[in-house]
Amino acid sequence: DQQVKQNSPSLSVQEGRISILNCDYTNSMFDYFLWYKKYPAEGPTFLISISSIKDKNEDGRFTVFLNKSAKHLSLHIVPSQPGDSAVYFCAARAGGSYIPTFGRGTSLIVHP
Amino acid sequence: GAGVSQSPSNKVTEKGKDVELRCDPISGHTALYWYRQSLGQGLEFLIYFQGNSAPDKSGLPSDRFSAERTGGSVSTLTIQRTQQEDSAVYLCASSSMGKTYEQYFGPGTRLTVT
Repeated sequence: DQQVKQNSPSLSVQEGRISILNCDYTNSMFDYFLWYKKYPAEGPTFLISISSIKDKNEDGRFTVFLNKSAKHLSLHIVPSQPGDSAVYFCAARAGGSYIPTFGRGTSLIVHP
Repeated sequence: GAGVSQSPSNKVTEKGKDVELRCDPISGHTALYWYRQSLGQGLEFLIYFQGNSAPDKSGLPSDRFSAERTGGSVSTLTIQRTQQEDSAVYLCASSSMGKTYEQYFGPGTRLTVT
């Protein structure tokens, strides 16, 4: 039973356009959400996070939106660059837990 | 500064053999995690160490899996009597006490059981 779902295994976007990666969760106890980026043969790297008390967090070209009522979050990358091509993992933590639950990832390809 | 390192980067072993995977966390990081990623799957939590506290072993899939962390630094994940379904990339991550939400991952060890 997946508590964190990334329903799109892959996404292809043109350079300069917006990339939108989606994530849904089922556990209402989750209150902290993270996005990680992973290149081949490397470990995931932390990208951006959001607490459940917020609905938006922005860091440069990356913005995460949280819709608690829909149990949905999304990562927007604007403008997309070829170097953004990687697998993006969504993760969520419940309050008081140090252990995040990860989704299966979405592979983003940004075409020049 | 040095990141999280893992060794070996690749390991091929025969079914039934024992393997040891090593993780060197970032110096000063008190929290250490082990995950595995099977083909097409997300990161599956295995075990969590925090300082001198008893580890959270709730993610270990069977008693063939064990891990230790010596001196609050280096960690070893041991898989006994390996099975083909143990084939995966094993990832280690560490985080500092004040920022447990931000984990730094190593490059992983790709384990193949033949």
